[in-house]
Amino acid sequence: GEQVEQLPSILRVQEGSSASINCTYENSASNYFPWYKQEPGENPKLIIDIRSNMERKQTQGLIVLLDKKAKRFSLHITDTQPGDSAMYFCAASRAGGYKVVFGSGTRLLVSP
Amino acid sequence: GALVYQYPRRTICKSGTSMRMECQAVGFQATSVAWYRQSPQKTFELIALSTVNSAIKYEQNFTQEKFPISHPNLSFSSMTVLNAYLEDRGLYLCGAIHGNTEVFFGKGTRLTVV
Repeated sequence: GEQVEQLPSILRVQEGSSASINCTYENSASNYFPWYKQEPGENPKLIIDIRSNMERKQTQGLIVLLDKKAKRFSLHITDTQPGDSAMYFCAASRAGGYKVVFGSGTRLLVSP
Repeated sequence: GALVYQYPRRTICKSGTSMRMECQAVGFQATSVAWYRQSPQKTFELIALSTVNSAIKYEQNFTQEKFPISHPNLSFSSMTVLNAYLEDRGLYLCGAIHGNTEVFFGKGTRLTVV
């Protein structure tokens, strides 16, 4: 299978706290895992990605973890701000121009 | 930098008519182009993956008869929604694949069917 499961579908947090989104994938050949942020009415924008040769990657308040054995990867947003409120999508793909399969999305709501 | 332009950004068509949308990669060569649809309140469904000089692969529930795609070169792709009905409304995204994995998305074409 090629499905990507994403949870939770809605995540409400207080400003300054952290937020975590979890995804699992089925295709063991997947080796590229991007995360996209989508604002209302806009296209999804790549915010961070991780390849299968890494277990952890961090950039500007975002941390992604990859557990290949469990076929699980996650996004952690530290010190959330109201501007982080958006839809977040995880995805999985494999090298060679194969399709990118998206998770179902998480609506993150950061309240002041 | 790598950019992907999609046009039109928004379009309204009458039920039963057809509309064509275009995708232009600028600054890089798009060896493959993936067309996605995001229906209201849903995730991105892959319609088809088009690779230059290869057959276009349509996903289940999507057919060439309904969504014909043209991908004549490494910078341009177009897709038509034939006989559009209410269930076809949504945001159509073009994802141009660069190298092995990186996908650059256009801003999408938002289709409204009336």
